Amino acid sequence: EAQVTQNPRYLITVTGKKLTVTCSQNMNHEYMSWYRQDPGLGLRQIYYSMNVEVTDKGDVPEGYKVSRKEKRNFPLILESPSPNQTSLYFCASSLGGAGNTIYFGEGSWLTVV
Amino acid sequence: KQEVTQIPAALSVPEGENLVLNCSFTDSAIYNLQWFRQDPGKGLTSLLLIQSSQREQTSGRLNASLDKSSGRSTLYIAASQPGDSATYLCAPLYNQGGKLIFGQGTELSVKP
Repeated sequence: EAQVTQNPRYLITVTGKKLTVTCSQNMNHEYMSWYRQDPGLGLRQIYYSMNVEVTDKGDVPEGYKVSRKEKRNFPLILESPSPNQTSLYFCASSLGGAGNTIYFGEGSWLTVV
Repeated sequence: KQEVTQIPAALSVPEGENLVLNCSFTDSAIYNLQWFRQDPGKGLTSLLLIQSSQREQTSGRLNASLDKSSGRSTLYIAASQPGDSATYLCAPLYNQGGKLIFGQGTELSVKP
């Protein structure tokens, strides 16, 4: 089954404690990206990757890092989380191009206290 | 600035009604436009994708149209059912890297 899998799905952490949200896709997709969803602000892109070792900033990259060492994985790293990073995070992947659907993971609820 | 607006923000209808959700976007340089469904606390499920060269796409009771030049898309839902209750999001794609710009969504409630 075609899937984008995120872990953890739910996490409560403390300010400043580094954390990583993993994302893996089994569809051999070139393109992967991370979004955050906040009430009143909708979904906004954090980072995206067009291929292995190729990443670029989205609209709200501050406070986040990503890496793309393998095609299937695209982890999101919060080096020093702050309360304003409390949000619902989504990973997405696609083959790219105008005709291909973008698939989303189930989401990761992150609370920073 | 690339912005997407969805109207109405919320909609409540009785079962069986046909309905139209509206989406407008400020920058017409899109690759495609996708409509998604989001259930509370869940991820996004793609419903329809319209490429920039297309005018409409249909899937079952859903029909989406695209007028790229005027920056508008509509999602038509025929014979609505309670199971259609969800938030519907439209998102034009602006680059190959998967940059979707999302609207705030239309929260739909279909009453039995």
